[in-house]
Amino acid sequence: QQQVKQSPQSLIVQKGGISIINCAYENTAFDYFPWYQQFPGKGPALLIAIRPDVSEKKEGRFTISFNKSAKQFSLHIMDSQPGDSATYFCAASPNTGNQFYFGTGTSLTVIP
Amino acid sequence: ETGVTQTPRHLVMGMTNKKSLKCEQHLGHNAMYWYKQSAKKPLELMFVYSLEERVENNSVPSRFSPECPNSSHLFLHLHTLQPEDSALYLCASSQDWGGVGTEAFFGQGTRLTVV
Repeated sequence: QQQVKQSPQSLIVQKGGISIINCAYENTAFDYFPWYQQFPGKGPALLIAIRPDVSEKKEGRFTISFNKSAKQFSLHIMDSQPGDSATYFCAASPNTGNQFYFGTGTSLTVIP
Repeated sequence: ETGVTQTPRHLVMGMTNKKSLKCEQHLGHNAMYWYKQSAKKPLELMFVYSLEERVENNSVPSRFSPECPNSSHLFLHLHTLQPEDSALYLCASSQDWGGVGTEAFFGQGTRLTVV
C-alpha cells in the first residue's frame, strides 16, 4: 500500500507560471513532510519541509501548503524557471523515526 | 556536492556475478540508508544503519547484503541478481535515526543494470 500519493506524474509549465504538485497521506503518525528535488544524474536533495503545526511555509519561490484535516500537502513554485525543471518527490516521516515514505515523483518541465 | 559519495556511478553485471556498491559520508552522521529507485515507483527504503547497527530491513531479498564497517561507510553486496533488480541505488545519511525531521542527504546513486 502506497503511503504517500503524489500527483500529477508530469507537469509542463510556461516560464513565469506557477507549478503545483499535490500529495496526500493516510497515516496520522506522519509528523514531517519534506519535498525533494532531483536533477538527472543526481540524488534527491531537500528543497523545503514542513511540520503539521503550521499551514504554510515559504522559502523564496517555493511554498508548501499543508492541510492537516484533509491530510494533504502541496508544493507551489512561483515564477517557475527552466532551471526548476527536475523531478520532485514529496515524502512523509513518522514521529517515531526517520523512515521516509516517498511519493512516486512529478517530472516538471518549465518551457522558456 | 552533498557530502555523500557513491561508487561506482554505473555498474553492469551478469546474473551470476558478485559486486559491491560503496557509500561514504563525510558529514559526521550516525545513520545511513540504502534506497532503491525504479522508474515510476516511490523510492523504496531497503536498509537502515544507526551507529553501525542495522535497525531496518524492509523485506529485502537475501541477494542484497548490506555491511556497515563504521559510521562513515556503507556497502551493498550484490550476488545472483535478477534483471528486475536493475535500478538506481541511492545511499543517504542523516544526523540520527531516532530523531524526527532530520534531513536526509543523498548520494548521486549507482545506476545498476543486470543483464
